[in-house]
Amino acid sequence: KQEVTQIPAALSVPEGENLVLNCSFTDSAIYNLQWFRQDPGKGLTSLLLIQSSQREQTSGRLNASLDKSSGRSTLYIAASQPGDSATYLCAVDSNSGYALNFGKGTSLLVTP
Amino acid sequence: NAGVTQTPKFRVLKTGQSMTLLCAQDMNHEYMYWYRQDPGMGLRLIHYSVGEGTTAKGEVPDGYNVSRLKKQNFLLGLESAAPSQTSVYFCASSTLLAATSTDTQYFGPGTRLTVL
Repeated sequence: KQEVTQIPAALSVPEGENLVLNCSFTDSAIYNLQWFRQDPGKGLTSLLLIQSSQREQTSGRLNASLDKSSGRSTLYIAASQPGDSATYLCAVDSNSGYALNFGKGTSLLVTP
Repeated sequence: NAGVTQTPKFRVLKTGQSMTLLCAQDMNHEYMYWYRQDPGMGLRLIHYSVGEGTTAKGEVPDGYNVSRLKKQNFLLGLESAAPSQTSVYFCASSTLLAATSTDTQYFGPGTRLTVL
């Protein structure tokens, strides 16, 4: 069974810092990996999707990398802003089916 | 373009009561999913559907039933609600990226259900 772990569970940084969120998965046979953002009391918003053949994807200040062989992904946020405060979820689409296996998330707080 | 919508947003049930949660998507997606999100547990898949008229069990299907009579709608039913089903329920939809890989999943805003 695919297990997805996110470290740290919570993170607090001052505005302007660059930061890295980590995601690891136990079964490297994945089709893609997705990063989501969830604001309190809201649904999930997709940030980036990395296909298994790709090494990284970028969107604005966000950069996600994928090392399938080691079962790891990182989400890099440059020049963090208070508006980035949210929970960030990593999810993998593995060969066990069409559904996603989610990590428990990293709760990020960016202070002014 | 509304994306994925869920009805209702909030509901309180008594143990043993039944209810149906409705999910609708206007993106013509083939795949639809029901997840539940509980503190400390993350999101877990309840049931999913790969097309109209088809459904399949996910990780935590017990106590729930689903139907996909129309491509745009995915219904989640609780026949006899239990306090353990208190949770936030999310619906999602996606299309195919490749033969066996789904594209980005789009989520609804969630339904917060409390069972007393």
